[in-house]
Amino acid sequence: NAGVTQTPKFQVLKTGQSMTLQCAQDMNHEYMSWYRQDPGMGLRLIHYSVGAGITDQGEVPNGYNVSRSTTEDFPLRLLSAAPSQTSVYFCASSLGFLTGELFFGEGSRLTVL
Amino acid sequence: KQEVTQIPAALSVPEGENLVLNCSFTDSAIYNLQWFRQDPGKGLTSLLLIQSSQREQTSGRLNASLDKSSGRSTLYIAASQPGDSATYLCAVTENNAGNMLTFGGGTRLMVKP
Repeated sequence: NAGVTQTPKFQVLKTGQSMTLQCAQDMNHEYMSWYRQDPGMGLRLIHYSVGAGITDQGEVPNGYNVSRSTTEDFPLRLLSAAPSQTSVYFCASSLGFLTGELFFGEGSRLTVL
Repeated sequence: KQEVTQIPAALSVPEGENLVLNCSFTDSAIYNLQWFRQDPGKGLTSLLLIQSSQREQTSGRLNASLDKSSGRSTLYIAASQPGDSATYLCAVTENNAGNMLTFGGGTRLMVKP
């Protein structure tokens, strides 16, 4: 069992570039989510999904898009990167909505110049 | 808006000491509370999950308690070891927030040999 796998682990972008952070889980979890972690701000929810084909916004969704075409994958797209999006991004999943513990990936560290 | 506070922000103790980490939250209408551990440069690992109807959960040397009415949780670590050195975060899930976890800022624990 790989759990929650995120790629890439590190990425440097220039302002205005776009990219996709990949997230995959092999636990057949219905619920998946993306967080960003910033010093002094803690972890904040960007987007989440309660199942394939269903996504919704979290606390800080601006500048990010998500889709959920399969149960396993939940990519996060940065449309036009800005320095304010420099952060560590975590994908997390759980068995269901409001059920069970949350499993986190190892994180993707993004720097936008 | 839910706010989660963890005190102290940092703690240094000698090996073998029993210690208590504190977590407080402002809105008692929570679904559950989780304690996580985060090692430097890594993702979060769930330690204990307490449902709103429960008072405590135990796993090995860890014991977490929940007093929902007063908005408090504690994580008790018995006989601390250098391997316990990490950042500990608590997070609450609210009934009406799309399984959005609100995280505290964390307590950075250092256990000295």
